[in-house]
Order: sequence, then structure tokens, then C-alpha cells
Amino acid sequence: GQNIDQPTEMTATEGAIVQINCTYQTSGFNGLFWYQQHAGEAPTFLSYNVLDGLEEKGRFSSFLSRSKGYSYLLLKELQMKDSASYLCAVRGALNRDDKIIFGKGTRLHILP
Amino acid sequence: DSGVTQTPKHLITATGQRVTLRCSPRSGDLSVYWYQQSLDQGLQFLIQYYNGEERAKGNILERFSAQQFPDLHSELNLSSLELGDSALYFCASSVEGFGGQGTDTQYFGPGTRLTVL
Repeated sequence: GQNIDQPTEMTATEGAIVQINCTYQTSGFNGLFWYQQHAGEAPTFLSYNVLDGLEEKGRFSSFLSRSKGYSYLLLKELQMKDSASYLCAVRGALNRDDKIIFGKGTRLHILP
Repeated sequence: DSGVTQTPKHLITATGQRVTLRCSPRSGDLSVYWYQQSLDQGLQFLIQYYNGEERAKGNILERFSAQQFPDLHSELNLSSLELGDSALYFCASSVEGFGGQGTDTQYFGPGTRLTVL
């Protein structure tokens, strides 16, 4: 079966660093995405990893280990506006059933 | 603004009714995806179309159907509505979505909030 796991909720302090983990089990692998979603709004694309290693983009970084089926999203210098849900999504095999599977998301609360 | 448009923004209807949600993809995108997101639930993939053809099916009920037109806009039809169908319905688009490169990022529209009373 296909499964994506991420913590349901996390809390961090403004200005701090937080790491949101994601583990996955899918049939085939063709990339992992992270999305940010504020309540009631559309998910917005944050990052994409297809090779092992760290991808850095400003305050946000995303890491992937394909052998471990593991990724994390690292948020630095947290701001109040970072309070949102963070969705991990995996693209499986490239075939007629090509689709991206989303995790249930991690709700991040930022405290002042 | 992702470039994906969805109408209407809000829809309130009664049980047993039928509604149609509309989505226009970003310019140049050939794939359209539909998702359902209920309160406190993750994004549930419903169906994907690529250049007018159905490409992948997820957890879509038989009461629901979709199509993609020659101009690439898509409609999601929900019939015999039940209270449990109340949710946010998102449309997303991407360039390829089938046999393409892994960097085929999905861009989401603002969603349609459906309330079934």
C-alpha cells in the first residue's frame, strides 16, 4: 500500500527553528513535495526533492533520503505568519495511475 | 495568485441536489486534478485529467463525475448530495502529469467551499 506519515501538530517559538518530518511508503518514487496551507486557503508549493540531500530556499530547506523513505522540512527564523499546515506529498510511479499522494499535514503553531 | 481559477467560491445547497464546480488551469497546463478536503482531513485526491482524457482516479464516489473540455477547463459534478459532502474542493493544474518529469508541480486554485444543508 501507499502511506505518508507526518506529525499531526507541532508548536514552536517565533525566531526559532523547527523540523517537520515525513516518512513515506509508495510504489515507485518520482519526487517529494512540500506545500504550505493556511486555514481555508489553497496549498502553496514550497519545495521539491527527487535526489537525496538538502535543498535550501531562503528560510526553508527540505531534505530527502530515498533509501529511508524519509524527508524533512526545516523552517528557520520562524515568523508568526509561518503558522499553517505543512503537507508532504509524494509522486509515485510514472504510469497511467500517475498521481501524487498527500499526507494529512502537520499543523504548526508559532508562539510569540 | 497561482493562476488557477475556480468558481464559485462558496456554494450552499440542500441534500439531494446536484452542483457543478468549475476550474480553469494555468495557461499552458494540460493536467487538471480535483481534490476534496473535509474539516481536519488531508487532501483526498479525486480524479485527474490530462488534455481532455481521464488519467488517474482516486477516492471519487460514483455520485461524482468530472470532465475536461477542449479549452482545458474542467468541471466537477456532484450529485445526490449528502451532508458529508460538505468540504473544500480544490482544483490544481500542472504542465504534464503523465509520463512527464518529476518536477511536475501542481498549482492549486483558491477552492470552492461547498456546504450541504
